[in-house]
Amino acid sequence: GQQVMQIPQYQHVQEGEDFTTYCNSSTTLSNIQWYKQRPGGHPVFLIQLVKSGEVKKQKRLTFQFGEAKKNSSLHITATQTTDVGTYFCAGLGGNDMRFGAGTRLTVKP
Amino acid sequence: EAQVTQNPRYLITVTGKKLTVTCSQNMNHEYMSWYRQDPGLGLRQIYYSMNVEATDKGDVPEGYKVSRKEKRNFPLILESPSPNQTSLYFCASRDRALSYNSPLHFGNGTRLTVT
Repeated sequence: GQQVMQIPQYQHVQEGEDFTTYCNSSTTLSNIQWYKQRPGGHPVFLIQLVKSGEVKKQKRLTFQFGEAKKNSSLHITATQTTDVGTYFCAGLGGNDMRFGAGTRLTVKP
Repeated sequence: EAQVTQNPRYLITVTGKKLTVTCSQNMNHEYMSWYRQDPGLGLRQIYYSMNVEATDKGDVPEGYKVSRKEKRNFPLILESPSPNQTSLYFCASRDRALSYNSPLHFGNGTRLTVT
């Protein structure tokens, strides 16, 4: 079935540095959702992108959906220790949403 | 409070001993789903349900069963657990089954260890 590939698997940054995670699909996605899972917690919905080339911002987080609707990115500006966790993308693949493997972000104070 | 409730949070069992993980949602959601989370593999779908009495296999259904007799409940059954089913399990729901634009609401997870 269709897969949503997500990179990198891990990212360790110094507090204040930027962070980006990428999702790629071999086929066109009708939408893409982003979730955050804090350590020991459960995934929590952050945002959804639907339109080609769409860009949405939530404070220091910027989400982009590619023009071809095959890729997406989440960029965090000036990371803080509260940003630690695993970030997942999810896109419609086959008959249901499919999750990427996630990017685990750690932030050194 | 709108929520998805899973029980138990932690479970240690032995190979072959049948177990059930319960999941209940109070949001009147049509759709419910089970995932397992393993390091490096993300969230893999086990089974999902579009509505009462409508269940279907996800990507990794082997060794699991589900039922959807009521809208609010979607238990996950392991008839004969094996060590390779040791994992972190999440139940999730969304309001409309075919509304893929709706966000998923996750339970707090069940960490299962099979020895």
